[in-house]
Amino acid sequence: DVKVTQSSRYLVKRTGEKVFLECVQDMDHENMFWYRQDPGLGLRLIYFSYDVKMKEKGDIPEGYSVSREKKERFSLILESASTNQTSMYLCASVGGGANTEAFFGQGTRLTVV
Amino acid sequence: AQKITQTQPGMFVQEKEAVTLDCTYDTSDQSYGLFWYKQPSSGEMIFLIYQGSYDEQNATEGRYSLNFQKARKSANLVISASQLGDSAMYFCAMRERKDDKIIFGKGTRLHILP
Repeated sequence: DVKVTQSSRYLVKRTGEKVFLECVQDMDHENMFWYRQDPGLGLRLIYFSYDVKMKEKGDIPEGYSVSREKKERFSLILESASTNQTSMYLCASVGGGANTEAFFGQGTRLTVV
Repeated sequence: AQKITQTQPGMFVQEKEAVTLDCTYDTSDQSYGLFWYKQPSSGEMIFLIYQGSYDEQNATEGRYSLNFQKARKSANLVISASQLGDSAMYFCAMRERKDDKIIFGKGTRLHILP
């Protein structure tokens, strides 16, 4: 059974804290993605990675960075959390080929207070 | 510019009726894939159906079919004989071959009424 696992389901952090969201996949996929989901805005792409140590900015990268040191792990980093980063964060992975669907983690509900 | 447009924020449909969820997309790439996902209240993202840009036939998966009109850049999801369990958020997404990004629309919240 294929799996994408996010390290936390719920997270509460204080403003200014450095926050790490971890995502691990066991499918040997090249491509991994981080999205945030907000009501009325759908899923917005923050960053994606198509290989180890490779990353590309998505549509809303400001305030975020990422790390991919190993193929199976893709980390999203909030350098200094702010209240407007309170959101649901979804990680996804997908193999090569345009016809392969993305597999998603269960999501992390982050609240910044 | 928005690449995936879902014009229906919410829909109410009577149980057992057919439902069409609209999706239009924008791309200059010749090779791309279109996807539909379902997100129930539990929050998980469930893959429903895929359509490739070179596929000549509309994709079907059980009660789901994708009405693909390439010239109009339209990829509507059709759910036949709707069920109460179909109540959920539905997202249309596109993956372009040129950069492998997957971009989602804002979603349509579907409510099936008994």
